[in-house]
Amino acid sequence: DIVMTQSPDSLAVSLGERATINCKSSQSLFYSSNNKNYLAWYQQKPGQPPKLLIYWASTRESGVPDRFSGSGSGTDFTLTISSLQAEDVAVYYCQQYYGAPPFTFGQGTKLEIK
Amino acid sequence: EVQLVESGGGLVQPGGSLRLSCAASGFTFSSYWMNWVRQAPGKGLEWVANIKQDGSDKYYVDSVKGRFTISRDNAKNSLYLQMNSLRVEDTAVYYCARDPYGSGGWYDYWGRGTLVTVSS
Repeated sequence: DIVMTQSPDSLAVSLGERATINCKSSQSLFYSSNNKNYLAWYQQKPGQPPKLLIYWASTRESGVPDRFSGSGSGTDFTLTISSLQAEDVAVYYCQQYYGAPPFTFGQGTKLEIK
Repeated sequence: EVQLVESGGGLVQPGGSLRLSCAASGFTFSSYWMNWVRQAPGKGLEWVANIKQDGSDKYYVDSVKGRFTISRDNAKNSLYLQMNSLRVEDTAVYYCARDPYGSGGWYDYWGRGTLVTVSS
């Protein structure tokens, strides 16, 4: 199974500042035949289901603010929030969907306001 | 508007059974792979199972193989998860989620979940 490891486990950032969350996979998520990385990012607020932010590592889901961006390739990926807003306080998860199941998630990164 | 509404959760003793349902609306249910994802209290997300549009292909995480069965009824726009031989470690909120890509992708819509508690 592909293991997904996020860092840090928790993060405190000031309002208006940049937040960066990292995700590392135990094997490459890049599929050369279509030039895509099989990685998604989700945001989960307390008491709510996860919300899709990013897929194909860098494609923003419709309606997601453009302060959210995804980058990276192969085994190393990053979710960046360019200017933190109060409503961005949440737990963030990366998920790989490369190849056969199981489709594994990272352990989550808790983002708070400093 | 796409909606996924889970039901069927509750308290069950170890070794017991439970059947979860997910009612889908607002989209052509029969056109999508569907998934169950669970979250133990205070923990992260774990993919549990998925099923092809016509129900012909199904996949499971190793920890539930032989105990859980995913199924669907496209005429009723419904997804199911039959859970047998339940263990304490199966305690979690169970979400149904839609895969817009197919046969293994990301999840663009999630239900609000149904809580399964396995305890004596």
